[in-house]
Amino acid sequence: GAVVSQHPSRVICKSGTSVKIECRSLDFQATTMFWYRQFPKQSLMLMATSNEGSKATYEQGVEKDKFLINHASLTLSTLTVTSAHPEDSSFYICSVRRHPNEQFFGPGTRLTVL
Amino acid sequence: RKEVEQDPGPFNVPEGATVAFNCTYSNSASQSFFWYRQDCRKEPKLLMSVYSSGNEDGRFTAQLNRASQYISLLIRDSKLSDSATYLCVVNRRGGYGNKLVFGAGTILRVKS
Repeated sequence: GAVVSQHPSRVICKSGTSVKIECRSLDFQATTMFWYRQFPKQSLMLMATSNEGSKATYEQGVEKDKFLINHASLTLSTLTVTSAHPEDSSFYICSVRRHPNEQFFGPGTRLTVL
Repeated sequence: RKEVEQDPGPFNVPEGATVAFNCTYSNSASQSFFWYRQDCRKEPKLLMSVYSSGNEDGRFTAQLNRASQYISLLIRDSKLSDSATYLCVVNRRGGYGNKLVFGAGTILRVKS
């Protein structure tokens, strides 16, 4: 069965609005979750590492004030895209790592900003 | 230059064919290696890990050459259901712990 769930699976919003995406670890408690973004025909790019109970760590070039991450519990991390613009339209995927070499991905959230 | 490079394809092959994908990585600090499969508009799923000694899982064989920083995937007796994008992935130490670095993927289309 699924290890990671994401909600919503798809969202269409107007430019300037904020969108929250939830990522849940279903099978185990995850102190660390990862947020990726994938543009069409491109590779998954790590945006940030979400740490339970502390601040997320962001990859170079990712604006922390635009992509707000909250990891309030061991099973839930949220990514909020603030003041979304059309260039933020992408496939956002979260993942959890159970072991160093075992990482599970959520089904992804397709964001379209009009 | 991308840290993980793959031929984007597409590779169009008939059912039953053998097809090979290659991947190179540039960071010698890479510690572990994987092939993931991604279906259209879906999340990536682990296909197999890759070891220096080479490893096989049914019709799939993966190989790693650390000296050349080169990874390969061989698929024998291709099935229609093998059609997907195959992602070469390396796990290396980043600024805040290990991180997965993905190639852009190689598209495989198996036709009847």
